[in-house]
Amino acid sequence: GAGVSQSPRYKVAKRGQDVALRCDPISGHVSLFWYQQALGQGPEFLTYFQNEAQLDKSGLPSDRFFAERPEGSVSTLKIQRTQQEDSAVYLCASSPGLAANTGELFFGEGSRLTVL
Amino acid sequence: QQPVQSPQAVILREGEDAVINCSSSKALYSVHWYRQKHGEAPVFLMILLKGGEQKGHEKISASFNEKKQQSSLYLTASQLSYSGTYFCGTASFLSSGSARQLTFGSGTQLTVLP
Repeated sequence: GAGVSQSPRYKVAKRGQDVALRCDPISGHVSLFWYQQALGQGPEFLTYFQNEAQLDKSGLPSDRFFAERPEGSVSTLKIQRTQQEDSAVYLCASSPGLAANTGELFFGEGSRLTVL
Repeated sequence: QQPVQSPQAVILREGEDAVINCSSSKALYSVHWYRQKHGEAPVFLMILLKGGEQKGHEKISASFNEKKQQSSLYLTASQLSYSGTYFCGTASFLSSGSARQLTFGSGTQLTVLP
């Protein structure tokens, strides 16, 4: 596709379950970012990949959160033992540049996670 | 640290002008503006890299005052399509001198009425 694709669009999980959220960035984009967006708030940075290398994971809220991009294209954000406070929209963004601060980010529509 | 946006919400009539402000407590490398409609992906509007430099998009322009660590987004003769939530994202400097990731404000909800 032409844009950033995320799946699933909606996910309901019971507390304690593991979830995996997928991001398919724009082909050829070097940089990939994951953000968490709570209701009524701006996106909060979680982690950043440059190709397959995870260069910044300072925003991951706990060790239950794990992200990978093994071949430098598709990325997966995994949340283990989900908690209610994990409920949010998880946005993925990609960019042809090497950093978020110098160029346009192309966002996907997000995966809305609800933890019951 | 998260930039502060003001106002939190604004309602205006089609054709009216609006200003959205964004301020940071840290020295900034760049300021970025995005618009997000309900249930949709944030869409890029512009980046400002130098103090005082304005870069426009349609009838939307912005300014960046490096000294005051502030940016303002100007929406002129607003259209119904301008409705949405506007986020500023700021990139501040790390101690190493390189710029860090974007930190987004909590947004300004803009509603344009016919």
